[in-house]
Amino acid sequence: QKEVEQDPGPLSVPEGAIVSLNCTYSNSAFQYFMWYRQYSRKGPELLMYTYSSGNKEDGRFTAQVDKSSKYISLFIRDSQPSDSATYLCAMNSGGYQKVTFGIGTKLQVIP
Amino acid sequence: SQTIHQWPATLVQPVGSPLSLECTVEGTSNPNLYWYRQAAGRGLQLLFYSVGIGQISSEVPQNLSASRPQDRQFILSSKKLLLSDSGFYLCAWRGLDRGFTDTQYFGPGTRLTVL
Repeated sequence: QKEVEQDPGPLSVPEGAIVSLNCTYSNSAFQYFMWYRQYSRKGPELLMYTYSSGNKEDGRFTAQVDKSSKYISLFIRDSQPSDSATYLCAMNSGGYQKVTFGIGTKLQVIP
Repeated sequence: SQTIHQWPATLVQPVGSPLSLECTVEGTSNPNLYWYRQAAGRGLQLLFYSVGIGQISSEVPQNLSASRPQDRQFILSSKKLLLSDSGFYLCAWRGLDRGFTDTQYFGPGTRLTVL
């Protein structure tokens, strides 16, 4: 079993839709959770991070963590064609421990 | 602000040829540096990381090697490339982001094709 599971997609949605991206994990030591956005042929860029259960909002993006279920989500409201990218979840147990990444979900927002 | 550079951006090499990819970071000192490979359908694979000059840890045994000759320079090398070395190579550094010490920042990447 992989430490982090993420559906690779692709996920296609119409412009304006609410997008839900998810990851599950098995290592209960993970305490810090991140979402990266990666455009085609570019390096991943940090989108959001959180270290506690609950929701964290930043503009159209909301990160949600449920440590009891070992489940994290990223919601994108009013999705735009410019949101079309691959979204990677990432997590680690803190300090300078190794960061474990999901495989990434490819999202396409259709105008 | 911190900036990370990688070159070349794209590389096509024959099997058996040597490889040298370079990564440099600006705007920070003594960063933790990382080399990842991203292959289609396989996600990000950590290859090497370094906590300081001359200090290299290998995560995956293979025909690649890494060196850190200067504080903000990280080099990925190979003496003889294999077809399986094709992929997107990403350098990353670990920084402090609003008090959060576990964030990794990535460079633009090098796309390597071995023929």
